[in-house]
Amino acid sequence: GENVEQHPSTLSVQEGDSAVIKCTYSDSASNYFPWYKQELGKRPQLIIDIRSNVGEKKDQRIAVTLNKTAKHFSLHITETQPEDSAVYFCAARAGGFKTIFGAGTRLFVKA
Amino acid sequence: GAGVSQSPSNKVTEKGKDVELRCDPISGHTALYWYRQSLGQGLEFLIYFQGNSAPDKSGLPSDRFSAERTGGSVSTLTIQRTQQEDSAVYLCASSLAGTSGDEQFFGPGTRLTVL
Repeated sequence: GENVEQHPSTLSVQEGDSAVIKCTYSDSASNYFPWYKQELGKRPQLIIDIRSNVGEKKDQRIAVTLNKTAKHFSLHITETQPEDSAVYFCAARAGGFKTIFGAGTRLFVKA
Repeated sequence: GAGVSQSPSNKVTEKGKDVELRCDPISGHTALYWYRQSLGQGLEFLIYFQGNSAPDKSGLPSDRFSAERTGGSVSTLTIQRTQQEDSAVYLCASSLAGTSGDEQFFGPGTRLTVL
């Protein structure tokens, strides 16, 4: 069945450094890849997404890259700040609406 | 406007009892999703509804789980004969749908504890 693997499970960085989270997916029909941020005790919220017809998308300090051949996609956060500390989930969706999420990465940004 | 709402926010039940969890999606959103999030874990897909199409139930973990969506709006997730492993946060989300690339808006979740 469909599967999304996410690494690392925990990531600790110094404020100002970059953070990279990587995901792989199994369903080659997947064509939409959102990333969600979930702060402690709150609901997940979309921070960026990418469709399969582009290889990279950037929004201020956040960027996502997609390699469809390898079925990899990654989230890059530059100039990290303490408020970036949260759990980040990648996800993959095929042509329907079923969305498979990764297990999450807990990011700690140390001031 | 109002976001996705869920009720109850917390539910404590005894093993073997049935529970019903409610989701009110954002008005006008035709797609509705249910996920389960166990403590410290990711989001496990359960089911989604899209318009009048048959729901995708492929994520339901057992036949004790069922869901319905009445009138294309409110949805109820029912868990029969609850087990301790059903304890988790149940999240509902909705989206405008129409394409496969739209944003899902999540509700606050229902924290279910089965004693």
